[in-house]
Amino acid sequence: DTGVSQDPRHKITKRGQNVTFRCDPISEHNRLYWYRQTLGQGPEFLTYFQNEAQLEKSRLLSDRFSAERPKGSFSTLEIQRTEQGDSAMYLCASSLGSSTEAFFGQGTRLTVV
Amino acid sequence: GENVEQHPSTLSVQEGDSAVIKCTYSDSASNYFPWYKQELGKRPQLIIDIRSNVGEKKDQRIAVTLNKTAKHFSLHITETQPEDSAVYFCAVNSGGSNYKLTFGKGTLLTVNP
Repeated sequence: DTGVSQDPRHKITKRGQNVTFRCDPISEHNRLYWYRQTLGQGPEFLTYFQNEAQLEKSRLLSDRFSAERPKGSFSTLEIQRTEQGDSAMYLCASSLGSSTEAFFGQGTRLTVV
Repeated sequence: GENVEQHPSTLSVQEGDSAVIKCTYSDSASNYFPWYKQELGKRPQLIIDIRSNVGEKKDQRIAVTLNKTAKHFSLHITETQPEDSAVYFCAVNSGGSNYKLTFGKGTLLTVNP
């Protein structure tokens, strides 16, 4: 599968712990996005990278969330001091150039207990 | 910000019937309108999209219509099959952005054999 891949697929963590997720976009795609999806809702935009530059962060992203894309390829999303409200599916997507067609990964399902 | 309303939230049809899902949006600057299909436990996948310079687009059994004046667009699936059963999300590029999508809450389509 040469699509967007995310790791891990599932993560269960205790409240207060830090977690980090990884996303590998489609190789030639320079744009990378993180979305969050909760049960019964559509994906909600979190942040966007063009190459290594983080160009927008949603106000949904509190100070406990940080995302990086250091070399313009893979990206990581870290959540510090997790809370139960952080439980969700975290989706990564990528696209090429100015095309808005975004290809999604299968997501990382986070459960905070 | 952009507001996307999607109806109905659930839709049940008999195999062979047509299904129609409607979305309205608020930002007149939006000009890209994709539809995603998400099967249970799988990634959202783009099935069709339309840009504001056309009013209708068709791809085999799937069509999308756009009314920019009224700010609404619809997904039409004809000759439905059981494998069409999934959650369908409409989306809009927020404020005419070429990277950020705002999604509707989704429609669970069930096609009964």
